[in-house]
Amino acid sequence: ILNVEQSPQSLHVQEGDSTNFTCSFPSSNFYALHWYRWETAKSPEALFVMTLNGDEKKKGRISATLNTKEGYSYLYIKGSQPEDSATYLCAFLMDSNYQLIWGAGTKLIIKP
Amino acid sequence: EAGVVQSPRYKIIEKKQPVAFWCNPISGHNTLYWYLQNLGQGPELLIRYENEEAVDDSQLPKDRFSAERLKGVDSTLKIQPAELGDSAVYLCASSLGTSYNEQFFGPGTRLTVL
Repeated sequence: ILNVEQSPQSLHVQEGDSTNFTCSFPSSNFYALHWYRWETAKSPEALFVMTLNGDEKKKGRISATLNTKEGYSYLYIKGSQPEDSATYLCAFLMDSNYQLIWGAGTKLIIKP
Repeated sequence: EAGVVQSPRYKIIEKKQPVAFWCNPISGHNTLYWYLQNLGQGPELLIRYENEEAVDDSQLPKDRFSAERLKGVDSTLKIQPAELGDSAVYLCASSLGTSYNEQFFGPGTRLTVL
Protein backbone atom coordinates (compact mmCIF):
# COMPACT_ATOMS: atom_id res chain seq x y z
CA ILE A 1 0.00 0.00 0.00
CA LEU A 2 1.46 3.34 -1.03
CA ASN A 3 1.48 5.85 1.79
CA VAL A 4 2.32 9.55 1.88
CA GLU A 5 2.87 11.05 5.33
CA GLN A 6 2.98 14.73 6.17
CA SER A 7 4.20 16.18 9.43
CA PRO A 8 3.30 17.95 11.51
CA GLN A 9 -0.45 17.70 11.12
CA SER A 10 -0.83 21.34 12.18
CA LEU A 11 1.50 24.16 12.99
CA HIS A 12 1.11 27.57 14.63
CA VAL A 13 3.80 30.07 13.65
CA GLN A 14 4.31 33.66 14.69
CA GLU A 15 4.13 36.21 11.88
CA GLY A 16 7.62 36.95 10.61
CA ASP A 17 9.07 33.60 11.67
CA SER A 18 10.26 31.03 9.17
CA THR A 19 8.97 27.48 9.20
CA ASN A 20 9.18 24.16 7.40
CA PHE A 21 7.34 20.88 7.22
CA THR A 22 7.85 17.43 5.76
CA CYS A 23 6.36 15.11 3.19
CA SER A 24 7.50 11.46 3.28
CA PHE A 25 6.81 9.09 0.39
CA PRO A 26 7.95 5.69 -0.92
CA SER A 27 11.55 5.92 -2.13
CA SER A 28 11.09 3.26 -4.81
CA ASN A 29 9.44 3.89 -8.19
CA PHE A 30 9.52 7.65 -7.85
CA TYR A 31 8.22 9.71 -10.75
CA ALA A 32 7.21 13.11 -9.36
CA LEU A 33 6.14 14.98 -6.25
CA HIS A 34 3.56 17.76 -6.18
CA TRP A 35 3.02 20.45 -3.54
CA TYR A 36 -0.30 22.29 -3.30
CA ARG A 37 -1.63 25.05 -1.07
CA TRP A 38 -5.30 25.03 -0.04
CA GLU A 39 -6.62 28.16 1.58
CA THR A 40 -9.94 28.01 3.38
CA ALA A 41 -12.92 28.65 1.08
CA LYS A 42 -10.67 28.56 -1.99
CA SER A 43 -9.48 25.91 -4.45
CA PRO A 44 -6.26 23.96 -3.97
CA GLU A 45 -3.49 25.65 -5.94
CA ALA A 46 -0.34 24.03 -7.28
CA LEU A 47 2.96 25.28 -5.86
CA PHE A 48 5.58 22.95 -7.31
CA VAL A 49 6.02 19.81 -9.38
CA MET A 50 9.37 18.21 -8.57
CA THR A 51 11.07 15.33 -10.33
CA LEU A 52 14.83 15.35 -9.82
CA ASN A 53 16.66 14.17 -6.71
CA GLY A 54 18.31 17.15 -5.05
CA ASP A 55 16.03 19.58 -6.85
CA GLU A 56 15.11 22.82 -5.15
CA LYS A 57 12.26 25.03 -6.33
CA LYS A 58 11.31 28.50 -5.17
CA LYS A 59 8.28 30.75 -5.50
CA GLY A 60 8.61 34.01 -3.61
CA ARG A 61 9.12 33.20 0.08
CA ILE A 62 8.23 29.52 -0.40
CA SER A 63 10.76 26.90 -1.43
CA ALA A 64 10.89 23.12 -1.54
CA THR A 65 13.62 20.49 -1.65
CA LEU A 66 13.45 16.90 -2.79
CA ASN A 67 15.32 13.76 -1.72
CA THR A 68 14.05 10.84 -3.78
CA LYS A 69 16.61 8.35 -2.44
CA GLU A 70 15.39 8.67 1.15
CA GLY A 71 11.82 9.58 0.23
CA TYR A 72 11.18 13.03 1.63
CA SER A 73 10.55 16.61 0.61
CA TYR A 74 10.67 19.73 2.74
CA LEU A 75 8.59 22.85 2.20
CA TYR A 76 10.05 26.05 3.65
CA ILE A 77 8.32 29.37 4.21
CA LYS A 78 10.54 32.33 4.99
CA GLY A 79 9.17 35.25 7.02
CA SER A 80 5.62 33.88 7.42
CA GLN A 81 2.74 36.24 6.67
CA PRO A 82 -0.96 35.87 7.58
CA GLU A 83 -1.78 35.08 3.94
CA ASP A 84 0.39 31.97 4.23
CA SER A 85 -2.24 30.41 6.50
CA ALA A 86 -3.49 27.37 4.59
CA THR A 87 -3.26 23.62 4.39
CA TYR A 88 -0.22 22.45 2.43
CA LEU A 89 -0.68 19.14 0.63
CA CYS A 90 1.91 16.98 -1.05
CA ALA A 91 1.15 14.24 -3.57
CA PHE A 92 3.39 11.44 -4.83
CA LEU A 93 3.36 10.03 -8.37
CA MET A 94 4.98 6.66 -9.07
CA ASP A 95 4.20 6.55 -12.78
CA SER A 96 3.03 9.08 -15.31
CA ASN A 97 -0.06 6.99 -16.03
CA TYR A 98 -0.88 6.42 -12.39
CA GLN A 99 -2.83 8.55 -9.97
CA LEU A 100 -1.42 11.00 -7.44
CA ILE A 101 -1.26 9.62 -3.89
CA TRP A 102 -2.02 12.46 -1.51
CA GLY A 103 -0.86 13.21 2.01
CA ALA A 104 -3.33 14.48 4.62
CA GLY A 105 -1.72 17.91 4.65
CA THR A 106 -0.09 20.24 7.15
CA LYS A 107 -2.40 22.97 8.41
CA LEU A 108 -0.39 26.16 8.91
CA ILE A 109 -1.78 28.98 11.03
CA ILE A 110 0.13 32.25 11.17
CA LYS A 111 -0.43 34.23 14.36
CA PRO A 112 -0.23 38.03 13.95
CA GLU B 1 -9.24 32.55 -18.35
CA ALA B 2 -11.95 30.90 -16.27
CA GLY B 3 -10.84 28.25 -13.80
CA VAL B 4 -12.51 24.95 -13.03
CA VAL B 5 -16.17 25.53 -12.27
CA GLN B 6 -18.16 23.33 -9.93
CA SER B 7 -21.75 23.44 -8.81
CA PRO B 8 -23.39 23.44 -6.43
CA ARG B 9 -20.97 24.71 -3.77
CA TYR B 10 -23.03 23.25 -0.95
CA LYS B 11 -25.68 20.54 -0.85
CA ILE B 12 -27.66 19.19 2.07
CA ILE B 13 -29.81 16.11 1.49
CA GLU B 14 -31.41 13.35 3.48
CA LYS B 15 -30.02 9.84 3.27
CA LYS B 16 -31.33 7.67 0.45
CA GLN B 17 -31.88 10.71 -1.78
CA PRO B 18 -29.97 11.11 -5.05
CA VAL B 19 -27.50 13.96 -5.62
CA ALA B 20 -25.50 15.17 -8.60
CA PHE B 21 -22.45 17.38 -8.94
CA TRP B 22 -21.32 19.19 -12.06
CA CYS B 23 -17.86 20.21 -13.19
CA ASN B 24 -16.62 22.25 -16.12
CA PRO B 25 -12.84 21.97 -16.54
CA ILE B 26 -10.43 24.53 -17.93
CA SER B 27 -10.83 24.79 -21.69
CA GLY B 28 -8.45 22.47 -23.48
CA HIS B 29 -7.68 20.27 -20.47
CA ASN B 30 -8.20 16.70 -21.61
CA THR B 31 -7.80 15.07 -18.19
CA LEU B 32 -10.51 15.46 -15.55
CA TYR B 33 -10.46 14.12 -12.00
CA TRP B 34 -13.13 13.67 -9.34
CA TYR B 35 -11.82 13.48 -5.78
CA LEU B 36 -13.47 12.89 -2.43
CA GLN B 37 -11.96 14.67 0.55
CA ASN B 38 -12.87 13.87 4.15
CA LEU B 39 -11.97 16.22 6.97
CA GLY B 40 -8.35 15.81 8.03
CA GLN B 41 -7.46 13.59 5.09
CA GLY B 42 -5.99 14.08 1.67
CA PRO B 43 -8.04 13.91 -1.51
CA GLU B 44 -8.92 10.39 -2.70
CA LEU B 45 -9.34 9.81 -6.41
CA LEU B 46 -12.78 8.55 -7.41
CA ILE B 47 -12.39 8.63 -11.17
CA ARG B 48 -10.03 10.01 -13.80
CA TYR B 49 -11.04 10.77 -17.38
CA GLU B 50 -8.85 11.26 -20.39
CA ASN B 51 -11.15 12.98 -22.82
CA GLU B 52 -14.41 11.04 -22.57
CA GLU B 53 -12.81 7.77 -21.45
CA ALA B 54 -12.72 6.78 -17.78
CA VAL B 55 -9.14 5.49 -17.48
CA ASP B 56 -9.13 4.92 -13.71
CA ASP B 57 -12.36 4.28 -11.82
CA SER B 58 -11.04 1.58 -9.53
CA GLN B 59 -11.95 3.53 -6.39
CA LEU B 60 -15.42 4.58 -7.48
CA PRO B 61 -18.08 2.71 -5.44
CA LYS B 62 -20.03 1.60 -8.46
CA ASP B 63 -23.03 0.33 -6.55
CA ARG B 64 -24.11 3.90 -5.79
CA PHE B 65 -21.74 6.25 -7.62
CA SER B 66 -21.71 6.98 -11.33
CA ALA B 67 -20.00 9.54 -13.48
CA GLU B 68 -20.01 10.65 -17.06
CA ARG B 69 -18.05 13.01 -19.25
CA LEU B 70 -19.99 13.31 -22.47
CA LYS B 71 -18.08 14.91 -25.36
CA GLY B 72 -14.95 15.00 -23.22
CA VAL B 73 -15.68 18.39 -21.68
CA ASP B 74 -17.85 18.85 -18.61
CA SER B 75 -18.66 16.04 -16.24
CA THR B 76 -21.26 14.98 -13.72
CA LEU B 77 -20.85 12.79 -10.66
CA LYS B 78 -23.96 11.18 -9.20
CA ILE B 79 -24.69 9.38 -5.96
CA GLN B 80 -27.85 7.31 -5.71
CA PRO B 81 -28.84 6.67 -3.01
CA ALA B 82 -26.71 8.81 -0.70
CA GLU B 83 -25.58 7.43 2.65
CA LEU B 84 -24.52 9.25 5.81
CA GLY B 85 -20.88 8.33 5.15
CA ASP B 86 -20.93 10.17 1.83
CA SER B 87 -20.76 13.52 3.62
CA ALA B 88 -17.52 15.05 2.36
CA VAL B 89 -16.09 17.61 -0.04
CA TYR B 90 -16.16 16.52 -3.68
CA LEU B 91 -13.41 18.15 -5.71
CA CYS B 92 -13.07 18.32 -9.45
CA ALA B 93 -9.73 19.02 -11.09
CA SER B 94 -8.37 19.16 -14.62
CA SER B 95 -4.96 19.03 -16.23
CA LEU B 96 -3.24 18.86 -19.58
CA GLY B 97 -2.09 15.32 -20.20
CA THR B 98 -1.19 12.93 -17.42
CA SER B 99 -1.06 13.14 -13.63
CA TYR B 100 2.51 14.44 -13.96
CA ASN B 101 1.23 17.89 -14.81
CA GLU B 102 -0.15 20.23 -12.20
CA GLN B 103 -3.84 19.91 -11.57
CA PHE B 104 -6.20 22.86 -11.43
CA PHE B 105 -8.98 22.49 -8.90
CA GLY B 106 -12.49 23.78 -8.62
CA PRO B 107 -13.81 25.12 -5.30
CA GLY B 108 -15.44 21.80 -4.44
CA THR B 109 -18.95 20.80 -3.39
CA ARG B 110 -19.52 20.26 0.31
CA LEU B 111 -22.12 17.51 0.69
CA THR B 112 -23.94 16.93 3.96
CA VAL B 113 -26.13 13.84 4.21
CA LEU B 114 -28.58 13.91 7.13
